[in-house]
Amino acid sequence: AQSVTQPDIHITVSEGASLELRCNYSYGATPYLFWYVQSPGQGLQLLLKYFSGDTLVQGIKGFEAEFKRSQSSFNLRKPSVHWSDAAEYFCAVVDAGGTSYGKLTFGQGTILTVHP
Amino acid sequence: EAGVTQSPTHLIKTRGQQATLRCSPISGHTSVYWYQQALGLGLQFLLWYDEGEERNRGNFPPRFSGRQFPNYSSELNVNALELEDSALYLCASSVHDQPQHFGDGTRLSIL
Repeated sequence: AQSVTQPDIHITVSEGASLELRCNYSYGATPYLFWYVQSPGQGLQLLLKYFSGDTLVQGIKGFEAEFKRSQSSFNLRKPSVHWSDAAEYFCAVVDAGGTSYGKLTFGQGTILTVHP
Repeated sequence: EAGVTQSPTHLIKTRGQQATLRCSPISGHTSVYWYQQALGLGLQFLLWYDEGEERNRGNFPPRFSGRQFPNYSSELNVNALELEDSALYLCASSVHDQPQHFGDGTRLSIL
């Protein structure tokens, strides 16, 4: 069964510092990978997606992520964090080639706190 | 373009009652997905509807059910409510092979 692991439950960074959120997955032959962000009391907003092709993908709000098949990782990065980035971040995978197609499997989430 | 809309925003029920949650997808999207976000349990897949048919189902009891209407909107019904059903229920929509876009959810509280 596919699974997603986000090793860091809570990360604190200073405003202006760089950020990397880790995500590891187990997958079928053709994973589709996503990062979503959730602010308190709200739904999930899509930050970026990886389907195929270039392994470095750019998203909204200055975020990027790199797909590394050899490490089964899809880490999210941002060079300079803003206070408004404080939220919970979820990595997710869809097994595009399996019977669970359509079902997003989420990691446990990483809560980001930004200090001024 | 309007996003995914869910109603009601909040719903308070007592044990044993039935709850109905509604979702309107983004215009042009034919697939609707339901997820449960319960405290301590994370985001769990519930149901996937596409073109009016149930395509996939998560590991939830049969008292969780739903349907998709000809206009692609969807209802999630939860019968015989239990305390552990208290959660944020998120609806998402997509077109084939494209990312899912989420609504702001319905907060269901069971007293």
